[in-house]
Amino acid sequence: GAVVSQHPSRVICKSGTSVKIECRSLDFQATTMFWYRQFPKKSLMLMATSNEGSKATYEQGVEKDKFLINHASLTLSTLTVTSAHPEDSSFYICSARFGPADEQFFGPGTRLTVL
Amino acid sequence: GQNIDQPTEMTATEGAIVQINCTYQTSGFNGLFWYQQHAGEAPTFLSYNVLDGLEEKGRFSSFLSRSKGYSYLLLKELQMKDSASYLCAASGYALNFGKGTSLLVTP
Repeated sequence: GAVVSQHPSRVICKSGTSVKIECRSLDFQATTMFWYRQFPKKSLMLMATSNEGSKATYEQGVEKDKFLINHASLTLSTLTVTSAHPEDSSFYICSARFGPADEQFFGPGTRLTVL
Repeated sequence: GQNIDQPTEMTATEGAIVQINCTYQTSGFNGLFWYQQHAGEAPTFLSYNVLDGLEEKGRFSSFLSRSKGYSYLLLKELQMKDSASYLCAASGYALNFGKGTSLLVTP
């Protein structure tokens, strides 16, 4: 199966700082990647669709100036949480579609804690 | 619009069979996924149904009825390690997830 990696797996930062999360497809090319967020005991919620070589598409209610997405290559998408606040503390997961069933393969997730 | 419903919690005994139901209403539907998620980890793929009927894969089976907007995940010969959250997700362009069913397997 396809492998998606994320880095870092955990990050703790101070309020007001920016945090960059990387999502890589290791053995396939992904023109589209997805970023999800999951709060404790809640479902995954799609934040944005990352498109290689073009602007990301954000879901309603997600601030594009706060959550910066860059998909500069076919194997890498980055999510930058700018001026992070405690309410941004969450589990951030990326995914990419691959295969005949268009299955989504998930990265291992990044646990962000903003103090 | 998107609306996916599944039970919040279920409990079953080791060795038993459990069925987790999911109903969905989604525009642009083209398939139904089931994922397993352990606490603090990313979801892992279990099954995908695009046609009506039952798909069997080892101890896990998944069923889809497109006309009824209904799916279920069937877990047989339950093991303790099956205690997890099970997410139903309707596929359009992206995936729209239900809130997940937390399954507890007891001895």
